Amino acid sequence: IVLTQSPGTLSLSPGERATLSCRASQSVSSNYFAWYQQKPGQAPRLLIFDASGRAIGFPDRFSGRGSGTDFTLTISRLEPEDFAVYYCQQYTSSPFTFGQGTKLEIK
Amino acid sequence: EVQLVESGGGVVQPGGSLRLSCAASGFSFEQHGMHWVRQIPGKGLQWVSFISWEGAATFYEDSVKGRFTISRDNSRNSLDLYMSGLGEEDTALYYCAKDRASGYDYGGLDHWGQGTLVVVSS
Repeated sequence: IVLTQSPGTLSLSPGERATLSCRASQSVSSNYFAWYQQKPGQAPRLLIFDASGRAIGFPDRFSGRGSGTDFTLTISRLEPEDFAVYYCQQYTSSPFTFGQGTKLEIK
Repeated sequence: EVQLVESGGGVVQPGGSLRLSCAASGFSFEQHGMHWVRQIPGKGLQWVSFISWEGAATFYEDSVKGRFTISRDNSRNSLDLYMSGLGEEDTALYYCAKDRASGYDYGGLDHWGQGTLVVVSS
């Protein structure tokens, strides 16, 4: 399953709303879909699991939704610490592919 | 506290072999599937391999099938990745990661090590 993230780069200001998309080439069954956040020099961190479950340590301004082939990560009001690279991943079938990433940068 | 510590990276010549290890602690290792993920510095993530909690099921990314072997020792809380036939395209930071779900389910990768760097170069 190929995952295509858009946009490649998103330039926004703190306080704005961010919407990141990930489209799968085939349906992702059981909503086995995740989002990760990665900051420079750090390992990725699981942010969203099972398409909409929020991982421990992330505030409720982060939300995930979607099913089938279209998934979205929304950050309701950007904080300075949210600027990072975000990856989507499907784990419904091997290989458990990642998207190419969306860089969220400060405008 | 969950800890995953990778080791074994280094510089290897094309065609060579290397064994990566991951020491796990702070959780019931024997209950969780484990993954290897790699990242070329400055580039995106590439999932490499998975092994089920008991070691019976293993999966690989297509480009490493037949060259890489994932294994685990639940008595020592350790995960390995044996890599052979290495090429320059295998140069990357290799992460060990724990699956969030236990048993035969999958749940995303909820804990990651800091990675070990593999450089394939003559």
